[in-house]
Amino acid sequence: GAGVSQSPSNKVTEKGKDVELRCDPISGHTALYWYRQSLGQGLEFLIYFQGNSAPDKSGLPSDRFSAERTGGSVSTLTIQRTQQEDSAVYLCASSHGSGFRSNQPQHFGDGTRLSIL
Amino acid sequence: EDQVTQSPEALRLQEGESSSLNCSYTVSGLRGLFWYRQDPGKGPEFLFTLYSAGEEKEKERLKATLTKKESFLHITAPKPEDSATYLCAVPGSQGNLIFGKGTKLSVKP
Repeated sequence: GAGVSQSPSNKVTEKGKDVELRCDPISGHTALYWYRQSLGQGLEFLIYFQGNSAPDKSGLPSDRFSAERTGGSVSTLTIQRTQQEDSAVYLCASSHGSGFRSNQPQHFGDGTRLSIL
Repeated sequence: EDQVTQSPEALRLQEGESSSLNCSYTVSGLRGLFWYRQDPGKGPEFLFTLYSAGEEKEKERLKATLTKKESFLHITAPKPEDSATYLCAVPGSQGNLIFGKGTKLSVKP
């Protein structure tokens, strides 16, 4: 389809394991965003990419979290040494343009539901 | 600090009973306000962007309006399929969107 694609849709893993989440944005969108949504909570911004660069990584919750984007397209969010508090839905979005002056709507995928046992 | 507050947290309507959802915001220089709909197990689905006070956008039974301090999402004669969580958001300083916690709308037949 033409929308944002995320994989896997669900991931269950044991505490302490590493996980990698993937996002394939809408073709032609230069900006890509990662958010986290916990039960009963709002969407928490993690990081965004303009092209392959992430200007500001301060939204990442801890140094166990990292993200990269290659070829201006697919992005991966990696969580090392997972903890139970990492359990959440991880959402990816993409848009035309970005930056702190952007007013372009972001289009979301359906997320990866991560459960840490 | 930029902030978005939505009310009510939950709203139960009978089919055909019109109502409004509120989104109040505090930002330094509004660069747009976005409304999204989120169904259970799905990502937010983009509905509208409003750019300036006085602007209105419509889509089917939904109409979004914007003032200098808040936005309203008016739902006219809702149907059960309008049941969802409605989110509003404003652009933040990090290239992100700052979301409210949403209003969960339930429309009963």
